Amino acid sequence: QKEVEQNSGPLSVPEGAIASLNCTYSDRVSQSFFWYRQYSGKSPELIMSIYSNGDKEDGRFTAQLNKASQYVSLLIRDSQPSDSATYLCAVRVSGSGNTPLVFGKGTRLSVIA
Amino acid sequence: DTEVTQTPKHLVMGMTNKKSLKCEQHMGHRAMYWYKQKAKKPPELMFVYSYEKLSINESVPSRFSPECPNSSLLNLHLHALQPEDSALYLCASSQKSGTEAFFGQGTRLTVV
Repeated sequence: QKEVEQNSGPLSVPEGAIASLNCTYSDRVSQSFFWYRQYSGKSPELIMSIYSNGDKEDGRFTAQLNKASQYVSLLIRDSQPSDSATYLCAVRVSGSGNTPLVFGKGTRLSVIA
Repeated sequence: DTEVTQTPKHLVMGMTNKKSLKCEQHMGHRAMYWYKQKAKKPPELMFVYSYEKLSINESVPSRFSPECPNSSLLNLHLHALQPEDSALYLCASSQKSGTEAFFGQGTRLTVV
């Protein structure tokens, strides 16, 4: 059973702070990792993808991957109230055939002005 | 352009109705998906089409019937649904199955 675990939150941070969102996964052969942001009532929006160990930065977002420890995280610097949303971690296990993404349950982030 | 277009945005249907949800993408993606999402839950995979062939059916009841007429279009035919099928139905596409997926805006379905 492939599982992706996230703390459901809510995670509350003050405006301007760094928000840290974490995700662990159970399948060691997982190869691709994605973070989606979902506003209430809207569809998920891809914000970051990461495939190799280390950090990947895109604007205020940094994804961190540690395959040995089987976790992936998302840091949001200078958090804004508009960042308040649910953040979904998704993992793809490599292999032959079709391997769709497995989603975690999401972490609800609240940025307090 | 990472646009996946779904129609309609909202749909209310009775339990005896037949309706269809439509999804379209023009990114040349060869994998397309249907997900169902209930409030405060993650998206739940229903079907995967890869190169226009159904490759995964996650034990979805037969009252949901997917169709992929061509590489750009994906339909979900609905018949004899139950009130508990009310949810946000999301279509997504990716270059191939398992790579980064882009979601449409979803269809908010209410079964009465």
